Amino acid sequence: GQQLNQSPQSMFIQEGEDVSMNCTSSSIFNTWLWYKQDPGEGPVLLIALYKAGELTSNGRLTAQFGITRKDSFLNISASIPSDVGIYFCAGQRNFNKFYFGSGTKLNVKP
Amino acid sequence: DTGVSQNPRHKITKRGQNVTFRCDPISEHNRLYWYRQTLGQGPEFLTYFQNEAQLEKSRLLSDRFSAERPKGSFSTLEIQRTEQGDSAMYLCASSLEPRGRNTEAFFGQGTRLTVV
Repeated sequence: GQQLNQSPQSMFIQEGEDVSMNCTSSSIFNTWLWYKQDPGEGPVLLIALYKAGELTSNGRLTAQFGITRKDSFLNISASIPSDVGIYFCAGQRNFNKFYFGSGTKLNVKP
Repeated sequence: DTGVSQNPRHKITKRGQNVTFRCDPISEHNRLYWYRQTLGQGPEFLTYFQNEAQLEKSRLLSDRFSAERPKGSFSTLEIQRTEQGDSAMYLCASSLEPRGRNTEAFFGQGTRLTVV
């Protein structure tokens, strides 16, 4: 099936630093979604992207739909301790199911 | 609370038993998805419905798994003759029928299954 490669797998940063993570695929997607998941909970939707090149913000979060439609990026500015969690990208083709990456685990040191 | 609701939150069962999980989607959403997630992995697609029609089922889903959405509202996922490898978090998500920019899928809190 489709494979979404997320990187980095994990990161340790200091509070206040900016964070970047990305998701790549060998296939083209029509929609990219970014989620955050806390332990024992379901993923929470952060940002949705629908058009190649689109840049969308949600507070300190900014995500971009790659121009090739095969990748997406998520940036978090001025990280805080509650940003800790696992971030997942999800891609959708032809309005069918979503494919998920394996996640980027973010640790923030106060 | 008008989000996606899943019950139960946790289920411990003995190997060989049958289990059933329920998902209540956001009320106006006609798409409903089931995913499975194991530790350290992203959600893995199982099946999805549009209204009461099951439009796709993963080839990874053995015939011990069955899902229904009889009236196009809530859905159930049943696992028969559970095996230890079925232990996972089972996630349900719902969305509007995709038309342009409204394809966001919202997840419930999941049902954690442990098979002993």
